[in-house]
Amino acid sequence: EAQVTQNPRYLITVTGKKLTVTCSQNMNHEYMSWYRQDPGLGLRQIYYSMNVEVTDKGDVPEGYKVSRKEKRNFPLILESPSPNQTSLYFCASGEGAWTEAFFGQGTRLTVV
Amino acid sequence: SQQGEEDPQALSIQEGENATMNCSYKTSINNLQWYRQNSGRGLVHLILIRSNEREKHSGRLRVTLDTSKKSSSLLITASRAADTASYFCATDGNQGGKLIFGQGTELSVKP
Repeated sequence: EAQVTQNPRYLITVTGKKLTVTCSQNMNHEYMSWYRQDPGLGLRQIYYSMNVEVTDKGDVPEGYKVSRKEKRNFPLILESPSPNQTSLYFCASGEGAWTEAFFGQGTRLTVV
Repeated sequence: SQQGEEDPQALSIQEGENATMNCSYKTSINNLQWYRQNSGRGLVHLILIRSNEREKHSGRLRVTLDTSKKSSSLLITASRAADTASYFCATDGNQGGKLIFGQGTELSVKP
């Protein structure tokens, strides 16, 4: 089954404790992206990747890192999480940036 | 930056009625997409319309695009309770790899 898998689905952590949210897709898509969703703000793009070893900033990249060492994986790294990074995070993939995007089920992160 | 802005923010209708949602954007685009999100879950792609298209249909969905007004509308005909969800438009904004979402329209269809 074609899918985008995020882990974990739920995470509660403390300020400053590094964490990684994994994202994996099995559709051989070149394009992958991370978003955060906050009430009243819709989805905002954090980082995206057009292909392996190619990443670029979205609209809200501060406090986040990504890597794209393999085509299928695109982890989101929070080196020092802060409470303002409490949000619902989505990973998505697609054949290209302007094609249909397939979304993961989301990761609800709480930073206390 | 919010490229797409949906209107209305919330819409409540009865089953069987039509639902119309609008999206406005600021810069030129290559295409515009509509997505649906059931409460707190991942977004699901509904339809993509290219900048050289004016109208597109998919089942009970009809999307129009007016590039001169930088706006799009999504019409859901004969709505069902199962259509209750949030609907988002997304544009590329001619910005490389960016895909920019609006804040969404929350649709409630009452049985």
